[in-house]
Amino acid sequence: GNSVTQMEGPVTLSEEAFLTINCTYTATGYPSLFWYVQYPGEGLQLLLKATKADDKGSNKGFEATYRKETTSFHLEKGSVQVSDSAVYFCALGERGSNYQLIWGAGTKLIIKP
Amino acid sequence: GAGVSQSPSNKVTEKGKDVELRCDPISGHTALYWYRQRLGQGLEFLIYFQGNSAPDKSGLPSDRFSAERTGESVSTLTIQRTQQEDSAVYLCASSKGQDHADTQYFGPGTRLTVL
Repeated sequence: GNSVTQMEGPVTLSEEAFLTINCTYTATGYPSLFWYVQYPGEGLQLLLKATKADDKGSNKGFEATYRKETTSFHLEKGSVQVSDSAVYFCALGERGSNYQLIWGAGTKLIIKP
Repeated sequence: GAGVSQSPSNKVTEKGKDVELRCDPISGHTALYWYRQRLGQGLEFLIYFQGNSAPDKSGLPSDRFSAERTGESVSTLTIQRTQQEDSAVYLCASSKGQDHADTQYFGPGTRLTVL
């Protein structure tokens, strides 16, 4: 079946460090891929998405490229800020499904000043 | 515009009691989802509604859990005879329901504590 695997957290970085949060997936078709973020005390919200192979989603300085050959959608940011501290979820939505998303377990990111 | 709203924001109940959680989706969104998020865990799918189609109940953990939705509006999630393991944040999300790439918009959640 379909699945999403994220790197375990917490990930702790210093401000201005480079960030990578790994996400790999298993899918039978051609899914869309998402990163959602949950800031402390706030609801889940979409960070970025990509709908086909080689697409790059970007938002708030974060980027992720849909790599079909490696079945990956790693989240990157060149210089993190304390305000980026949150839990990040990778998710998959498959064509022809009933629009459910398959969710990763989430990765907690802690940025220290 | 108005986002997804949920009520109550917090609910403390005693083991064995029934609880009802409410979700108001974004107007015009045909798809509505309920998830459960235990402390420090990912999202666990519970149930999905799409328009007037039969709901997908495949994620409901037991027959103590049920949900209803009237048309494309409000949904209620009911948990009967609550148990301590039901303690979690219950999240509701809605989407346009038109495409697998649709963004899901989440409510703030209801934090349920079963004593």
